[in-house]
Amino acid sequence: DAKTTQPPSMDCAEGRAANLPCNHSTISGNEYVYWYRQIHSQGPQYIIHGLKNNETNEMASLIITEDRKSSTLILPHATLRDTAVYYCIVRPTGANSKLTFGKGITLSVRP
Amino acid sequence: DAGVTQSPTHLIKTRGQHVTLRCSPISGHKSVSWYQQVLGQGPQFIFQYYEKEERGRGNFPDRFSARQFPNYSSELNVNALLLGDSALYLCASSTFHDSGNTIYFGEGSWLTVV
Repeated sequence: DAKTTQPPSMDCAEGRAANLPCNHSTISGNEYVYWYRQIHSQGPQYIIHGLKNNETNEMASLIITEDRKSSTLILPHATLRDTAVYYCIVRPTGANSKLTFGKGITLSVRP
Repeated sequence: DAGVTQSPTHLIKTRGQHVTLRCSPISGHKSVSWYQQVLGQGPQFIFQYYEKEERGRGNFPDRFSARQFPNYSSELNVNALLLGDSALYLCASSTFHDSGNTIYFGEGSWLTVV
């Protein structure tokens, strides 16, 4: 079972920041937080991941709370093409590590 | 650079038939995983292979099998197809098999069983 909880959906206006929350209250100290997104009928696209520190790349920023029990994915300037299902995943460290997907959160960006 | 490539992109099979899906990982990636995604759900882990050995298996029946070749490409085989096997089958690759390596997905193979 997925170790994360996400609201089923949210929306935001184009050009505004989209803040996608994720709860992972049972996360262990050696588990990463990964974010993927899936645009309709396409394969999941890797966005970002982190362990303890906040991370930023060209796509997004990941903010992890100090107790690591929740995180927020931030898309700084959402566009219509960011409309997708976003999956927050807790991934164990170590060998043979798989991804366990939940249902994700559907982000709708409105014009 | 080419990403993870899968073939075929779409196919239709009849109940009881067999299907083979193929995957080429990103160049330099040695680990390949397979996931099944039914409509409305997130992807579910089926297999992971690394250096031609099975390194992980999800909760799927023995009708599902896979293998990895010396060039690190992979095949997923499903025997005795059921209607419930209709899904998007995703292949993913990473450099190695441990969690320090990001997993990248292909666009998937859409299987419809009629």
